[in-house]
Amino acid sequence: GAGVSQSPSNKVTEKGKDVELRCDPISGHTALYWYRQRLGQGLEFLIYFQGNSAPDKSGLPSDRFSAERTGESVSTLTIQRTQQEDSAVYLCASSLFQGPGFNSPLHFGNGTRLTVT
Amino acid sequence: GNSVTQMEGPVTLSEEAFLTINCTYTATGYPSLFWYVQYPGEGLQLLLKATKADDKGSNKGFEATYRKETTSFHLEKGSVQVSDSAVYFCALKSRGSTLGRLYFGRGTQLTVWP
Repeated sequence: GAGVSQSPSNKVTEKGKDVELRCDPISGHTALYWYRQRLGQGLEFLIYFQGNSAPDKSGLPSDRFSAERTGESVSTLTIQRTQQEDSAVYLCASSLFQGPGFNSPLHFGNGTRLTVT
Repeated sequence: GNSVTQMEGPVTLSEEAFLTINCTYTATGYPSLFWYVQYPGEGLQLLLKATKADDKGSNKGFEATYRKETTSFHLEKGSVQVSDSAVYFCALKSRGSTLGRLYFGRGTQLTVWP
């Protein structure tokens, strides 16, 4: 497709279960971001991948959160032992190369709405 | 550290009214500044940007000027339309960062009535 695709669009899970969220970036985009948006809050940075560089994981809130990306393709965000405070919209974005002096626009997916009951 | 503070919403205006959404920032060095917009049912998309002091970003009738002295990047439009109803996010990227991390504000919901 032409845009960033995220799946599933909605996910309801029970507290304590693991979930996996998927992001298909735009072809050729080397940069990929995951953000979280809780109700009434701003976008909270989680993790950033740039090509083969080590990812910036500084935004992951706990060791229950992890993300992977194979090369410049699909990324998965995994949340283990989900808690109610994990309920949020998880947004993925991709872009061409980022870095000092480069300001490529981010292209966002529509997000995955996660509800933990 | 790096952070963005946006005007609290929601903002409700009549068509053709003047719009201002305030945005101020704290950053290491001189950041690049952005406004992103999220229309109903769609993903966020870049609206405009400015990469150095006194630059003015503009797009679709919206403007924002990078003011280093007041650390601000307020979004303005002279005459809003119903189709401008959306959530607007101010964002920055620190020039000092070796990677491309963007910091976003909370977003401001704009509703325009006919």
